[in-house]
Amino acid sequence: NAGVMQNPRHLVRRRGQEARLRCSPMKGHSHVYWYRQLPEEGLKFMVYLQKENIIDESGMPKERFSAEFPKEGPSILRIQQVVRGDSAAYFCASSQSEGNSPLHFGNGTRLTVT
Amino acid sequence: GQQLNQSPQSMFIQEGEDVSMNCTSSSIFNTWLWYKQDPGEGPVLLIALYKAGELTSNGRLTAQFGITRKDSFLNISASIPSDVGIYFCAGHGSGNTGKLIFGQGTTLQVKP
Repeated sequence: NAGVMQNPRHLVRRRGQEARLRCSPMKGHSHVYWYRQLPEEGLKFMVYLQKENIIDESGMPKERFSAEFPKEGPSILRIQQVVRGDSAAYFCASSQSEGNSPLHFGNGTRLTVT
Repeated sequence: GQQLNQSPQSMFIQEGEDVSMNCTSSSIFNTWLWYKQDPGEGPVLLIALYKAGELTSNGRLTAQFGITRKDSFLNISASIPSDVGIYFCAGHGSGNTGKLIFGQGTTLQVKP
């Protein structure tokens, strides 16, 4: 009964490199959400995807950030040309359906940009 | 956009004491959920509330969905050291988009 799986748990990148964060939702879940958390803060919504579709990307920066959830395989959050301000914990969550379903979270990827 | 205001920001209590924290908003929410986050881990769902006025318990935890749909509280009775962590309220706002909006969190510390 695997939960939401994220990898890697920790990722270190130099400024200007690319970061790829992966998320496999819970079995039977087709809705994926990405959140970002800075130290001592709450979780900020970034993007909501269903298989092959971006439903809501209102929380994602317009530049350097992109997300996908292909028909096969995990969801990917991609950050190009990382900067120090991108250092944060990135959490993925999944739900069984849209609407008011509870979200189940993974243990996050902690990105450090040096 | 819609926002949730969570209070208090932090609490330091003695083991065995009861704890109460709450969340308010200036706009209506369709659901209220309470999560707990331990260091280095993701949030774990504690209680989900779907109807105005709903009161739900999960062990020593009790939460209520305010009748105005603009607030919720979480109570923890007889606290124990493993209750330590950050508690977040969250809710589905208007528009039924599926995304959750989170409060800023309440950090709970329990002294044995």
